[in-house]
Amino acid sequence: QVQLQESGPGLVKPSETLSLTCTVSGGSFSPYFWSWVRQPPGKGLEWIGYIFSNGNTNYNPSFESRVTISQDTSKNQFSLKVSSVTAADTAVYYCARDRGGAIEYWGQGTLVTVSS
Amino acid sequence: DIVMTQSPDSLAVSLGERATINCKSSQTILYSSNNKDCLNWYQQKPGQPPKLLIYWASIRESGVPDRFSGSGSGTDFTLTISSLQAEDVAVYYCQQYYNTPRTFGQGTKVEIK
Repeated sequence: QVQLQESGPGLVKPSETLSLTCTVSGGSFSPYFWSWVRQPPGKGLEWIGYIFSNGNTNYNPSFESRVTISQDTSKNQFSLKVSSVTAADTAVYYCARDRGGAIEYWGQGTLVTVSS
Repeated sequence: DIVMTQSPDSLAVSLGERATINCKSSQTILYSSNNKDCLNWYQQKPGQPPKLLIYWASIRESGVPDRFSGSGSGTDFTLTISSLQAEDVAVYYCQQYYNTPRTFGQGTKVEIK
């Protein structure tokens, strides 16, 4: 069974960089779109972007180049960095496996709060 | 970006009755190569990640009960729960994957009347 687990700081200061890692177990790393989706408290889902297993990336333009997604296939991990964070970036961040449109596996999510 | 608009925002349905959720895309999401619509439906229960229910607008994901069905084409889509069960209380989201950025509807909260 495929499992994904997010890890990283739960508290980030304004203007700093949010960094999260997702560890994948129980399945192959390719050929999938390894994705990040976030959900502000009490609100809906927002797609952040993905990295395909060949290393190609695609980001939501609404993040205005603040987002970087990378992968370390030797560790079965992929990562998210969001720079220059503000309170609006406070959310539950999910890592997920997208098989080509359908997000079939999700991590449990990790709450990241932006506050000084 | 393709805007996905769901209606209603919430609905209350009696146990055993039908629940219908609508989703409208701001442009067609029909993939011409296979003549299928690039639309997913997800279910999210409190404190849990979303769960994939339906893809290609009408194909039920493995393990999803057959009381869940998806229909529609072009820009108008529907998720139907034919006989609402207590465990179906959740927020439901549609999502398009015709292009990026992938976009979700705002969600529809389903409760028991």
